[in-house]
Amino acid sequence: TQLLEQSPQFLSIQEGENLTVYCNSSSVFSSLQWYRQEPGEGPVLLVTVVTGGEVKKLKRLTFQFGDARKDSSLHITAAQPGDTGLYLCADLNFGNEKLTFGTGTRLTIIP
Amino acid sequence: DTAVSQTPKYLVTQMGNDKSIKCEQNLGHDTMYWYKQDSKKFLKIMFSYNNKELIINETVPNRFSPKSPDKAHLNLHINSLELGDSAVYFCASSQRSKTDTQYFGPGTRLTVL
Repeated sequence: TQLLEQSPQFLSIQEGENLTVYCNSSSVFSSLQWYRQEPGEGPVLLVTVVTGGEVKKLKRLTFQFGDARKDSSLHITAAQPGDTGLYLCADLNFGNEKLTFGTGTRLTIIP
Repeated sequence: DTAVSQTPKYLVTQMGNDKSIKCEQNLGHDTMYWYKQDSKKFLKIMFSYNNKELIINETVPNRFSPKSPDKAHLNLHINSLELGDSAVYFCASSQRSKTDTQYFGPGTRLTVL
């Protein structure tokens, strides 16, 4: 059974600071996805990465996929209160479209 | 228009009762899912249906029975509710083999007393 560990579990920083959160898998990812979940809502897909070493940018968010396709990082530049939420990494199995989620990082940006 | 909707939003019930959660999607997708998110925010797949056919059935107690009357609906019926069933249940949908994106509903918070 694949295990996806995310760190840190909780992170609280001031508005304007930079931060990085991590996702590590016990096995190679089929494809890696990052989601953000706001309180009282369902997760929303931010990005999908497939190729080892791949880097994708989404405004102030930078997603990096490890060369061995077993780890990933999400870097946020100049964090804003709107970035507050639960960040989840996930492995998507293209065969049966099964999503296996990580343990999550709860991010709070303090104005 | 809401893409994936769930009813009810909140459900409080006694142990031993039977309850249902309904999910509808208006995205024209052919695959729908049920996920359970526990108190520690861990999110885990329970079931998936593609064109009304069961595709994924994780190790979920028999008390949980999904039913898909058509492609746009996937309901979850739970018999003999237990305290450990308390969680937030999310429905999601996707268009299989066309996109990697699953769209999630707003969740149903189930509390078993």
